[in-house]
Amino acid sequence: DVKVTQSSRYLVKRTGEKVFLECVQDMDHENMFWYRQDPGLGLRLIYFSYDVKMKEKGDIPEGYSVSREKKERFSLILESASTNQTSMYLCASSLRQGIFSETQYFGPGTRLLVL
Amino acid sequence: AQKITQTQPGMFVQEKEAVTLDCTYDTSDQSYGLFWYKQPSSGEMIFLIYQGSYDEQNATEGRYSLNFQKARKSANLVISASQLGDSAMYFCAMREASILTGGGNKLTFGTGTQLKVEL
Repeated sequence: DVKVTQSSRYLVKRTGEKVFLECVQDMDHENMFWYRQDPGLGLRLIYFSYDVKMKEKGDIPEGYSVSREKKERFSLILESASTNQTSMYLCASSLRQGIFSETQYFGPGTRLLVL
Repeated sequence: AQKITQTQPGMFVQEKEAVTLDCTYDTSDQSYGLFWYKQPSSGEMIFLIYQGSYDEQNATEGRYSLNFQKARKSANLVISASQLGDSAMYFCAMREASILTGGGNKLTFGTGTQLKVEL
């Protein structure tokens, strides 16, 4: 079974703090994704990566950065957390590019509260 | 314009009955794929079913089927014989050919439908 794990299920941070959200997948997937999920807005793509050290902006990258130093690990960084970044963050991975039917596998999510 | 539209924020269904969750999409691509995911209260997204734009048959997976009407750009999820465990948030998503390569297989998601199954 594919397993995508996220470092924390719940996180509480203060405004201005630097926040790291870690995601690890164990199936040698090429692609990894970070989404945020907010009520009434669905899932919105923040950043994704299709190879080590490669990253591309998604639909809402402002206020976030990412790092992928190893294939299995994709980190989301909030350089200076703000209250409007309080949200559920979901990490996902998929095997490779170019396959229409390729599903994404999701981690359990991290609920981040910024005070 | 929204690429994926789910017009039902919440739905109720009686146990053992069938329920249809609506999804319409907007794309100018001829090649695309449509997905449905389930998100229980635990938070993890679970893949349910996939339909390709060139698939002639509607996709089915156990109690899940996808009512694909290409001309109307709709891809409704049908759950037959609902169970209490089907209570969850359901998301429709699309992958388009125009962003398939170099785009890391991006998916665009709808806003979701919260389904509650009642006794």
